[in-house]
Amino acid sequence: SAVISQKPSRDICQRGTSLTIQCQVDSQVTMMFWYRQQPGQSLTLIATANQGSEATYESGFVIDKFPISRPNLTFSTLTVSNMSPEDSSIYLCSVRQGYYEQYFGPGTRLTVT
Amino acid sequence: QKEVEQNSGPLSVPEGAIASLNCTYSDRGSQSFFWYRQYSGKSPELIMSIYSNGDKEDGRFTAQLNKASQYVSLLIRDSQPSDSATYLCAVNQQTGANNLFFGTGTRLTVIP
Repeated sequence: SAVISQKPSRDICQRGTSLTIQCQVDSQVTMMFWYRQQPGQSLTLIATANQGSEATYESGFVIDKFPISRPNLTFSTLTVSNMSPEDSSIYLCSVRQGYYEQYFGPGTRLTVT
Repeated sequence: QKEVEQNSGPLSVPEGAIASLNCTYSDRGSQSFFWYRQYSGKSPELIMSIYSNGDKEDGRFTAQLNKASQYVSLLIRDSQPSDSATYLCAVNQQTGANNLFFGTGTRLTVIP
């Protein structure tokens, strides 16, 4: 499976600021996804990062709050904008390989104060 | 109705026993089914995939799929304390969505 890295691994941010999370994959992949996992909860899909076009957002998530870039087949960023304490969560990058298998990066643990 | 449902547990089994984890899904057209293991503070790790009815074995793990009953399970034989984790069931849906739908997970504790 692909090796996926994320930066930063964790951060503590102030309310109202923005944080950009990077996801790097060691091989080219077509499908990349961004998930959120709030404490004690399962995974919620934020959006599918599409290479060369706008991301596809799930219900409840909007581009102004979570802008995503996907400049090539190995890299994507997710920005969490105008943060509030409710955005405190683990953000996970994932890639699809094979027949729907998804593999996850190590995650970014975000705390908003 | 949630797309994917799991018993949240916690499920406790003694070391060496068989742990049985269950999952039901709502979309009858789903074709791909996965089990992920997530240790506390870590990201999910894919441990099993299954696509057709029946059993699929990989080491101590056996995935079982029954599409007629919309049911998928994971058996862990000879459970070890290192198996203590949350197990997430994931399903793709027939609608052609590229993503997976995840259950809320079952927390498993293996007691030495």
